[in-house]
Amino acid sequence: DVKVTQSSRYLVKRTGEKVFLECVQDMDHENMFWYRQDPGLGLRLIYFSYDVKMKEKGDIPEGYSVSREKKERFSLILESASTNQTSMYLCASLKGSTGELFFGEGSRLTVL
Amino acid sequence: KNEVEQSPQNLTAQEGEFITINCSYSVGISALHWLQQHPGGGIVSLFMLSSGKKKHGRLIATINIQEKHSSLHITASHPRDSAVYICAVSFGGSNYKLTFGKGTLLTVNP
Repeated sequence: DVKVTQSSRYLVKRTGEKVFLECVQDMDHENMFWYRQDPGLGLRLIYFSYDVKMKEKGDIPEGYSVSREKKERFSLILESASTNQTSMYLCASLKGSTGELFFGEGSRLTVL
Repeated sequence: KNEVEQSPQNLTAQEGEFITINCSYSVGISALHWLQQHPGGGIVSLFMLSSGKKKHGRLIATINIQEKHSSLHITASHPRDSAVYICAVSFGGSNYKLTFGKGTLLTVNP
């Protein structure tokens, strides 16, 4: 089975802290995504990556950056966390041949 | 603007009922996904379709390209089907950037 693993299910951070959210997939997928999910807004794309070291901004990239040094790992970075970044963060990878999406379990981040 | 609308927002059913969740989108698409999210859980892909109909167990997904509309049906619903069902669409030539509906919260009572 394809597995997308997110490093932390729950995190609590303080305003101004640097936050790393890591995502690893084990199926050699080229395309990986970071979304945030908020009540009433649904899922919104923060960044995606279509290959190692390649990235594109999604709909809401402000306040975030990403890193894709290896194909299996896609990291989301909050350089200076703010309270409006309190959210559920979901990582996904896409199987290019079929277009099927695989999601991680999510990381619920609270910024105090 | 590329938009995805789901209806209803909330749906409560009795066990055994036939369920329909609808998804409409604004412009031509390359693919449409139906996703399932259980409370506190991750998201699971149920279907990806660009035309016609797909079936998996008690779940059926249909899409009408001309009407820009898709439906997800659940036959003989069960309490374990209680979840949020999300429609997501890739517009134009890209399979990579998805636009998501806000989801339909389904509760199936025993």
